[in-house]
Amino acid sequence: EAGVTQFPSHSVIEKGQTVTLRCDPISGHDNLYWYRRVMGKEIKFLLHFVKESKQDESGMPNNRFLAERTGGTYSTLKVQPAELEDSGVYFCASSPGGEQFFGPGTRLTVL
Amino acid sequence: GESVGLHLPTLSVQEGDNSIINCAYSNSASDYFIWYKQESGKGPQFIIDIRSNMDKRQGQRVTVLLNKTVKHLSLQIAATQPGDSAVYFCAETHTNAGKSTFGDGTTLTVKP
Repeated sequence: EAGVTQFPSHSVIEKGQTVTLRCDPISGHDNLYWYRRVMGKEIKFLLHFVKESKQDESGMPNNRFLAERTGGTYSTLKVQPAELEDSGVYFCASSPGGEQFFGPGTRLTVL
Repeated sequence: GESVGLHLPTLSVQEGDNSIINCAYSNSASDYFIWYKQESGKGPQFIIDIRSNMDKRQGQRVTVLLNKTVKHLSLQIAATQPGDSAVYFCAETHTNAGKSTFGDGTTLTVKP
């Protein structure tokens, strides 16, 4: 069974540019989460989808971040415009309920 | 706010020794705790979990202990191997909330 996949694995952009991260959850998992780890600190929750609906977006840092999950399958996380402090590793996880399965992450570097 | 913290950022052990990684959490309402292992270039991988109605749970070479009185969680790895080298995170999850709150992580290095 394929696990959670994320694309791209790495992204290097300049401050002010736009980047879109994609997450493909495990097929059949209704729950999809976005997390990020900044500067080697703890992994912080960003938001949680149940199917196509945003269940909890309390961790989204500001309105430069926009997450979507049209159709309740894959999800995208767009950062526009990117700032230096957005650099970090962005993880996606999916779950049928209970255990969360994490993808390998996207390493974002904003110069 | 809520936080789940680890006592040590790094831990170095000799191959074959036992490892103990500690974590303190602050939300007394937490009811589900998970330990994750993250290897370089990969996402966090589930190791073992424990619910708040238990104080000990064992897996293969790993044991998780939960002390709700002092809000402390630990992961014990028996006969640590080089393949155990990774960053270990504890996380707290509310059963009904879904999201996980992670600690800072402990980097375990196993010396041959």
